[in-house]
Amino acid sequence: DQQVKQNSPSLSVQEGRISILNCDYTNSMFDYFLWYKKYPAEGPTFLISISSIKDKNEDGRFTVFLNKSAKHLSLHIVPSQPGDSAVYFCAAQSSGDKLTFGTGTRLAVRP
Amino acid sequence: SAVISQKPSRDICQRGTSLTIQCQVDSQVTMMFWYRQQPGQSLTLIATANQGSEATYESGFVIDKFPISRPNLTFSTLTVSNMSPEDSSIYLCSVALWGKGTFFGQGTRLTVV
Repeated sequence: DQQVKQNSPSLSVQEGRISILNCDYTNSMFDYFLWYKKYPAEGPTFLISISSIKDKNEDGRFTVFLNKSAKHLSLHIVPSQPGDSAVYFCAAQSSGDKLTFGTGTRLAVRP
Repeated sequence: SAVISQKPSRDICQRGTSLTIQCQVDSQVTMMFWYRQQPGQSLTLIATANQGSEATYESGFVIDKFPISRPNLTFSTLTVSNMSPEDSSIYLCSVALWGKGTFFGQGTRLTVV
């Protein structure tokens, strides 16, 4: 049972435009959500997070939106840059610091 | 954040052998985690390793196959035992820093032939 789902395995966006990566979850006990970026041959690097008490968190070009009633979150990257090309993982956390990951979305930003 | 060094970064191993992966953190951490990422799949938690206690394994993972050591607050090892080609994966060490998040090592890419 996949508790965290990223239904789009890949996304291609023109440089300068907005990238929107989506994530859905099923477990209502999740109270903290994170996005990680992963380049080939490297470990995931933390990007941005959001607590379940908020509906938006912004950090520079990256904004995460949380819709608890829909159990949905999204990551917006604007403007997108070629260096943003990577695999993005959504992750969710309940008590105990254990992360549950989605399957990832491969983002390609075209110059 | 934490600086996490993982060794080896990659290896090619014969089936039936074992490989021990080392994870060194630049600060003392209570909770360390070992993940696996099989080709084309998500990161899956293998076990949680707390210093001074037995590792806690997730469903589908057992200590005989993936023994873990946690001798102190900055170091852990994961052994992949009696390997088969199905064990070919990226294995990742991670740590949780209270209030700061979860951080990962660069991973160990294992190929079993």
